[in-house]
Amino acid sequence: QQQVKQSPQSLIVQKGGIPIINCAYENTAFDYFPWYQQFPGKGPALLIAIRPDVSEKKEGRFTISFNKSAKQFSLHIMDSQPGDSATYFCAASGYGQNFVFGPGTRLSVLP
Amino acid sequence: GAVVSQHPSWVICKSGTSVKIECRSLDFQATTMFWYRQFPKQSLMLMATSNEGSKATYEQGVEKDKFLINHASLTLSTLTVTSAHPEDSSFYICSAEVAYSNEQYFGPGTRLTVT
Repeated sequence: QQQVKQSPQSLIVQKGGIPIINCAYENTAFDYFPWYQQFPGKGPALLIAIRPDVSEKKEGRFTISFNKSAKQFSLHIMDSQPGDSATYFCAASGYGQNFVFGPGTRLSVLP
Repeated sequence: GAVVSQHPSWVICKSGTSVKIECRSLDFQATTMFWYRQFPKQSLMLMATSNEGSKATYEQGVEKDKFLINHASLTLSTLTVTSAHPEDSSFYICSAEVAYSNEQYFGPGTRLTVT
């Protein structure tokens, strides 16, 4: 019940495309869903996060869509750029619970 | 804001020696800090959770006598890898949770190589 599933494992898009990464969770006690971006040899950086009281959150070119009934959330990157090439991790947590991370998605944006 | 630093960024040590890694929250107080280990092309594996002023909570399978964690203040946690062996070589990342929130910010990581 603590698992967070993430797909796809890897993704290749052309510059300007809109990659979409999906995550699913099981624990209904989770109430915080962040996305992290990680470049090789660096620590993960918080990109955007959402709580279940909203269905969508947008920050710049990054948008999270959240479906509480389906226990799914996704990250959309608008107008993707080669500099967005990185590994993206979704995560979930709740009060008194540790973060549970998805396995990650390696995104490559071709110039 | 919400910057977490880690020191050193990389370290090479000989087998049998001990290595200390520091994790600091620079502009916020962190009642809870976490230590993760990450293998190449894999997700983060939580090793332990440390709360300021109390003993760390270790995840199953993590040797607490080998990975000593101290959280002496609201802005500093340290991880000491004792009697390091080559299999301890990895990327160690700390994170700090902003007090009274779920928000967690990561340090830049420490690459440990044991020869």
